[in-house]
Amino acid sequence: KAGVTQTPRYLIKTRGQQVTLSCSPISGHRSVSWYQQTPGQGLQFLFEYFSETQRNKGNFPGRFSGRQFSNSRSEMNVSTLELGDSALYLCASSSGQAEEKLFFGSGTQLSVL
Amino acid sequence: AQSVTQPDIHITVSEGASLELRCNYSYGATPYLFWYVQSPGQGLQLLLKYFSGDTLVQGIKGFEAEFKRSQSSFNLRKPSVHWSDAAEYFCAVVAPGGYQKVTFGTGTKLQVIP
Repeated sequence: KAGVTQTPRYLIKTRGQQVTLSCSPISGHRSVSWYQQTPGQGLQFLFEYFSETQRNKGNFPGRFSGRQFSNSRSEMNVSTLELGDSALYLCASSSGQAEEKLFFGSGTQLSVL
Repeated sequence: AQSVTQPDIHITVSEGASLELRCNYSYGATPYLFWYVQSPGQGLQLLLKYFSGDTLVQGIKGFEAEFKRSQSSFNLRKPSVHWSDAAEYFCAVVAPGGYQKVTFGTGTKLQVIP
């Protein structure tokens, strides 16, 4: 079974630009979550999608948005990039039940210059 | 809202020594509890989880964790550490019924010396 695939692996953008990150979950998984990881803040929950609906949202500004498609693939968009958005963005998939484990991708490393 | 505290940012142990990583949580009831490990440049991998039953749970790679309700703790242990265990370890909680909104601790970086 293929794992969670995130593309691209690395991204370099400048302030003010926008970026779209992609996540393909494990086949059969209907839940996709996104996390931002930085050395200072650790892992911060962004949002979770289940069957194309956002079920949970973290405390991030509206510049951070996402969506999920009918095949469970998900995209995350960040508009008007700021220097502080530089981070590793991790995607995780699961069956969607709270007690189930998350399967993580290797992440997209975003650098904002 | 739930929160997780991992008081140790860095821990260094000798290969073959025992290991205990601390985790305390704050939540009104018993949440679902997890330990994940992250190797450099990689995503996270589940080591073990607890949501009910026996308070001592066994995981992969020889790890175990004990849930102590009275102390709101879920400490991770390993009797004999291998050099390949060097990584960052995250404790995490999910509220029952909270779907997949996972709250992670800040992580403990483990260094293993020969």
